[in-house]
Amino acid sequence: GENVEQHPSTLSVQEGDSAVIKCTYSDSASNYFPWYKQELGKRPQLIIDIRSNVGEKKDQRIAVTLNKTAKHFSLHITETQPEDSAVYFCAASIGAQKLVFGQGTRLTINP
Amino acid sequence: EAGVAQSPRYKIIEKRQSVAFWCNPISGHATLYWYQQILGQGPKLLIQFQNNGVVDDSQLPKDRFSAERLKGVDSTLKIQPAKLEDSAVYLCASSLRTGSGGELFFGEGSRLTVL
Repeated sequence: GENVEQHPSTLSVQEGDSAVIKCTYSDSASNYFPWYKQELGKRPQLIIDIRSNVGEKKDQRIAVTLNKTAKHFSLHITETQPEDSAVYFCAASIGAQKLVFGQGTRLTINP
Repeated sequence: EAGVAQSPRYKIIEKRQSVAFWCNPISGHATLYWYQQILGQGPKLLIQFQNNGVVDDSQLPKDRFSAERLKGVDSTLKIQPAKLEDSAVYLCASSLRTGSGGELFFGEGSRLTVL
């Protein structure tokens, strides 16, 4: 079935350290994997995405890696800052048109 | 560029009452989505429109939820009658194109509390 599993559900790291959030998906035909950030009380916003024809993508302090064989992808945030505290959602495309979201990871950056 | 507009932002009703939410997508965006986000969970797709046609409504509880997108622009989502488990934030989103790779732009959401 259509399923995206996300781990961990909560993550606490010291400011300046790295954070890694992992997701697995079930549909081998999935080819688009975005990550959204949702700050408290605000709307989710796209922070980075990756397509199935590449294995890694970086944008300043954030990067996403994709392992199509294992059907998992990860978000990496380096040199974390207090403003990185938020809930992060991964998502995977299902079929040609649908996007299914993971359950979310609440990231807390401790000063 | 104006974002996705939703109203009302907050609504409190009693169970068995009805409620309607409105969404105005970003101008020119053909695809419109309604997601339900229960506290502590990820957004769950309820219905997806391409222009004014339904692309996917497989997870819409059709006995109580209905949605329409007249003229392919604004959309309304209605719940009648509401149940306690419908308490959630209802997020509307739009994208320029459907399918894989279209960034979703979300509205602020409509928070529903059913008592």
